[in-house]
Amino acid sequence: GAVVSQHPSWVICKSGTSVKIECRSLDFQATTMFWYRQFPKQSLMLMATSNEGSKATYEQGVEKDKFLINHASLTLSTLTVTSAHPEDSSFYICSAQSWTSGTYNEQFFGPGTRLTVL
Amino acid sequence: AQKITQTQPGMFVQEKEAVTLDCTYDTSDPSYGLFWYKQPSSGEMIFLIYQGSYDQQNATEGRYSLNFQKARKSANLVISASQLGDSAMYFCAMREGYGNKLVFGAGTILRVKS
Repeated sequence: GAVVSQHPSWVICKSGTSVKIECRSLDFQATTMFWYRQFPKQSLMLMATSNEGSKATYEQGVEKDKFLINHASLTLSTLTVTSAHPEDSSFYICSAQSWTSGTYNEQFFGPGTRLTVL
Repeated sequence: AQKITQTQPGMFVQEKEAVTLDCTYDTSDPSYGLFWYKQPSSGEMIFLIYQGSYDQQNATEGRYSLNFQKARKSANLVISASQLGDSAMYFCAMREGYGNKLVFGAGTILRVKS
């Protein structure tokens, strides 16, 4: 399968700072990237869907100004957690998907980023 | 209403035995896809198996098979000959119609005993 990377794999920051997480598709062009959030022993919750070159579509209840998503190229999407607070501590996972022959292909997941806000 | 329901929070299975992880889904769209993912403690999501709503046969991938009962809206994952490395969280997910979003179930933690 295709490879998706995330950077960093873990980050610890102070409350009030901003943190940027990168998601890259290494061997395919991702027309769509997804960002998920996962709390311990819970399921993945979709935060937003981003298509290359357009604004992200956020799920209900997700603060757009808090979680800034940029999908500037077909291989890179970034999630910036602005003014992070302890409640933002979580595991953030991205996935990437390509579109070929009029159909969506399988989503490939990154390894995740563990964010801890002190 | 929950679109994907996994009723087993945790399961134990003896090594080398088979285990079935339950998944039921709810959709009115005739076109959909069902996925199973494995998430070990490292956190990565590992794709296991896929079943399309129009597929006539149950999907199989090595030791994984999907028991697809369309009328009952269930898509149970069967793992044969369990191994210690199968211990992980397992998620069932659905993609509806021509959309590209995945909706995940709550997950089932599987522990394989030696």
